[in-house]
Amino acid sequence: EDQVTQSPEALRLQEGESSSLNCSYTVSGLRGLFWYRQDPGKGPEFLFTLYSAGEEKEKERLKATLTKKESFLHITAPKPEDSATYLCAVQAGETSGSRLTFGEGTQLTVNP
Amino acid sequence: NAGVTQTPKFQVLKTGQSMTLQCAQDMNHEYMSWYRQDPGMGLRLIHYSVGAGITDQGEVPNGYNVSRSTTEDFPLRLLSAAPSQTSVYFCASSRSGLQPQHFGDGTRLSIL
Repeated sequence: EDQVTQSPEALRLQEGESSSLNCSYTVSGLRGLFWYRQDPGKGPEFLFTLYSAGEEKEKERLKATLTKKESFLHITAPKPEDSATYLCAVQAGETSGSRLTFGEGTQLTVNP
Repeated sequence: NAGVTQTPKFQVLKTGQSMTLQCAQDMNHEYMSWYRQDPGMGLRLIHYSVGAGITDQGEVPNGYNVSRSTTEDFPLRLLSAAPSQTSVYFCASSRSGLQPQHFGDGTRLSIL
């Protein structure tokens, strides 16, 4: 059974204090790993897709990396508007029609 | 603005009542899916569709029905509401593959 574990559950940072969120996974045949951002009362917003170990993607202050067992979402010099819950999901299997398994998320708070 | 639209945003039902959660997208996406989000759990797939006239079950399909008569619309029906179906429901779409690209803002459903 595919499993996704995100840590920490919650993280408080000061503005400008860089840190990383972790997503560890156990799947048979990773097809893709996905990061989403979710603001309170809203649906998740797609951020990144990573397909193979060693791959990195960047968007503004966010950088996602992938190894064979985990993914990190690095946040550099965060701002209060980066406060949100960050979700990780993995897709295993041979086709793009395979289901995703989501983690529970990391709730990030950035204080000014 | 283009995207996924869900209605209603909030709903309270009594046990045994039925209702339909509406979802519409205007991006001509083939893949649409329904998820539920519960505290302490990751998003879980209820049903999905890979195109008009084609639907399939996800991880937690019991108590729900779907149909896809057009590319744009993908309603979710609760047949006989139960308190265990109290949740936040998200509809999602993607151009190709089951990995969601766009989510609606959710329907918050309470079953008394």
